[in-house]
Amino acid sequence: EVHLVESGGGLVQPGGSLRLSCAASGFNFNIYWMTWVRQAPGKGLEWVANIKPDGSGQYYVDSLKGRFTISRDNAKNSLYLQMNSLRAEDTAIYYCGREGRYMGAFDVWGQGTMVTVSS
Amino acid sequence: DIVLTQSPDSLAVSLGERATINCKSSQSILYNSNNQNYLAWYQQKPGQPPKLLIYWASTRGSGVPDRFSGSGSGTDFTLTISSLQAEDVAIYYCQQYYNTPTFTFGPGTRVDIK
Repeated sequence: EVHLVESGGGLVQPGGSLRLSCAASGFNFNIYWMTWVRQAPGKGLEWVANIKPDGSGQYYVDSLKGRFTISRDNAKNSLYLQMNSLRAEDTAIYYCGREGRYMGAFDVWGQGTMVTVSS
Repeated sequence: DIVLTQSPDSLAVSLGERATINCKSSQSILYNSNNQNYLAWYQQKPGQPPKLLIYWASTRGSGVPDRFSGSGSGTDFTLTISSLQAEDVAIYYCQQYYNTPTFTFGPGTRVDIK
């Protein structure tokens, strides 16, 4: 069965850093684009970043460029999101997702990990 | 950037009745070379991650009941629930992937039981 499991969320002070992980199982991880999407409390969905299957290209929402870095380790079937210079407005549930092959929609989602930025 | 708007913000429908949600794009998301509309719909129930319902504007995702259907082309799209069930209470989002590898979502439409 296909699964994505996020971890690494928690409470962090403004200006701090956090690294999220997403463990994939049940599918051939190294042929899929992978993505991060976040959702602030009570708000809608915001696409954050994605990465090519071989990790050679990364793309970000304009508002986050320079603070967040997406990466992957295909040997470990894992996706990561390094978040630096965190702000209160980064408080959200962070979901990892798989981009369907031959179509750009996100066909598999993890349960999400909560990040709270507060002093 | 492509901006998606949804209407209404929320709606309440009686069980067994039809629910219709609209999504409008600020520019066409029809790719002429393959005649595909780069639009998806997701369902998000409280406390759960989103679930893919529809892609290519009208193709149902795996295991999605046939009471869910998508239609439209170019800039105007519709998600229809033909006969609302209690388990359909959720927020529904449209998403464009025309600008792949970057994406945007609509603001969401809440569906409740009247």
